[in-house]
Amino acid sequence: AQSVTQLDSQVPVFEEAPVELRCNYSSSVSVYLFWYVQYPNQGLQLLLKYLSGSTLVESINGFEAEFNKSQTSFHLRKPSVHISDTAEYFCAVTVGGATNKLIFGTGTLLAVQP
Amino acid sequence: DVKVTQSSRYLVKRTGEKVFLECVQDMDHENMFWYRQDPGLGLRLIYFSYDVKMKEKGDIPEGYSVSREKKERFSLILESASTNQTSMYLCASSLAGANGYTFGSGTRLTVV
Repeated sequence: AQSVTQLDSQVPVFEEAPVELRCNYSSSVSVYLFWYVQYPNQGLQLLLKYLSGSTLVESINGFEAEFNKSQTSFHLRKPSVHISDTAEYFCAVTVGGATNKLIFGTGTLLAVQP
Repeated sequence: DVKVTQSSRYLVKRTGEKVFLECVQDMDHENMFWYRQDPGLGLRLIYFSYDVKMKEKGDIPEGYSVSREKKERFSLILESASTNQTSMYLCASSLAGANGYTFGSGTRLTVV
């Protein structure tokens, strides 16, 4: 069965510092990978996704994630964070198919401090 | 702008009540999903539907049922609400395929 592990429940970081949020998955078949962001009292928004092709994917607000098949990882990075990046981040995996169910990790709270 | 709309942001219900959570999407998506979100547990799939009148159990269906009479609407029903169903409920929809989900804003349900 597929699963997603986000080892860090909270990541405190100072503004303008770099950050990496870790995500590992387990699956014996090809996967599609996603990062979602949830701001306080809101639903989840898609941040970026890997379906195929280039293993490095980017979002419009400066985040990037790299698909590493050998390490079964899809870590999220940003070189310089802002206060407004404070949110919970969820990694998710799907094995595709018509119903494309997403399996979510437990989430990582990114807390950016001034 | 495409949307998934959940009818209530906050809801307080009494133990034993029958509770309906409504979700409507305007994107003509085939697939719709109900998750609950709890601290430290992430999102857990309750039920999903890949077509009108079709439904499948997710990982934690006990105590819940669903209804999908029209393509755009997917309802989650708590047959007899209990305090352990106090949670954030998130609805999502997607096209068949691998494009990811569009989520609603969530309903925070408190059962007292």
